[in-house]
Amino acid sequence: EVHLMESGGGLVQPGGSRRLSCVASGFIFNDYEMNWVRQAPGKGLEWVSNISRSGISTHSADSVRGRFIISRDNAKNSLFLQMNNLRDEDTAIYYCARGGRCTSDGCHSAAFFQHWGQGTVVTVSS
Amino acid sequence: DIQMTQSPSTLSASVGDRVTITCRASQNIYDWLAWYQQKPGKAPNLLIYKASTLESGVPSRFSGSGSGTEFTLTISSLQPDDFATYYCQQYNSYSWTFGQGTKVEIK
Repeated sequence: EVHLMESGGGLVQPGGSRRLSCVASGFIFNDYEMNWVRQAPGKGLEWVSNISRSGISTHSADSVRGRFIISRDNAKNSLFLQMNNLRDEDTAIYYCARGGRCTSDGCHSAAFFQHWGQGTVVTVSS
Repeated sequence: DIQMTQSPSTLSASVGDRVTITCRASQNIYDWLAWYQQKPGKAPNLLIYKASTLESGVPSRFSGSGSGTEFTLTISSLQPDDFATYYCQQYNSYSWTFGQGTKVEIK
């Protein structure tokens, strides 16, 4: 069974930093792209960042580019999100989400979110 | 970025009703579209990907259709467990984007 467990959330002051982690189990971690998706209180879903299977390629939403860094450690089945220069509007539940199965043509066809963690809450406030 | 617009924002329906939710993309996304269900306090759950492919374990009363810029999610006979918020998501091009959500409420 696929299991994703996030940690690292908490209260952070504006301008501060926080590192989120996600530990995966139940599948071959380096066979799948991984993502962070967030949800502000009472709001909809927002994709944040994506990382390739090898970790070499990353993409991020405009709202976090230059401030958030996604990374992974395939040896430890772990995904990370380093969040810097946090703003009030970064307050949200942050979900770790696994993509679908890639094919021989690549991972574009699998760029949906097939499995989700339970989320970790980040609150940015003074 | 590609904008995704869902309608309606809220839908009131009864058990047994046929329910249809529409998702429109601001440009052609072919069939690179997924649908999710989210219940209060829970993570979203994938229902459909590639516009019409039902995720394993999802009841067959859920179906998806469409291509290009207009898509629909249909629940053929609404069940008590289906009262939730539904989101579409395009994955044709970065930045991947979601619709604003459709809340299905009990009538």
